[in-house]
Amino acid sequence: GENVEQHPSTLSVQEGDSAVIKCTYSDSASNYFPWYKQELGKRPQLIIDIRSNVGEKKDQRIAVTLNKTAKHFSLHITETQPEDSAVYFCAASAKNYGQNFVFGPGTRLSVLP
Amino acid sequence: SAVISQKPSRDICQRGTSLTIQCQVDSQVTMMFWYRQQPGQSLTLIATANQGSEATYESGFVIDKFPISRPNLTFSTLTVSNMSPEDSSIYLCSSAVGLAGDHEQFFGPGTRLTVL
Repeated sequence: GENVEQHPSTLSVQEGDSAVIKCTYSDSASNYFPWYKQELGKRPQLIIDIRSNVGEKKDQRIAVTLNKTAKHFSLHITETQPEDSAVYFCAASAKNYGQNFVFGPGTRLSVLP
Repeated sequence: SAVISQKPSRDICQRGTSLTIQCQVDSQVTMMFWYRQQPGQSLTLIATANQGSEATYESGFVIDKFPISRPNLTFSTLTVSNMSPEDSSIYLCSSAVGLAGDHEQFFGPGTRLTVL
């Protein structure tokens, strides 16, 4: 089955700097890769996703890149703000697994003012 | 995106009892899922709730422990049976529109369960 690894487990950056979180997956059949942000005590919120037919996607300060050959994808946050502080989860899913998401272990991002 | 609610939001239960968690979506959705999130951990899929048929369970989760119902396209329940302290966790439902494996999932607010 699918295995998703995520690095780093914790990340601290100064406000205004960029943050990068990387995930790798094992199943070449995976074709959908969402990123979720979870603030303390809140539900996971979808912030961006990418499908296997696209190499990069951007939404304002957030971007995701996908390298299918190497089986890894990354979340990039530019001009970080204190409200970006949260736990970020990547996930992978494949159609032949009925849309089941396998989540990475998470990255705790702290943006220091 | 669909709006998802869960009841109860939290509960404290005694060992050996059962708790049923309800998940309501404000629109018809194709797929509904139940996850467990242990403190400080990631999300683990328990099962896919199938409308009109038995749920599909992931490895390590069984129907006797986590019976699931899905009577229609907007509602599902998860029961945590014969609870032990190890079942203390946050339980989240999610929903997705579409049949293929590349559609967004949106999560409910979660149910925080503490078993004494």
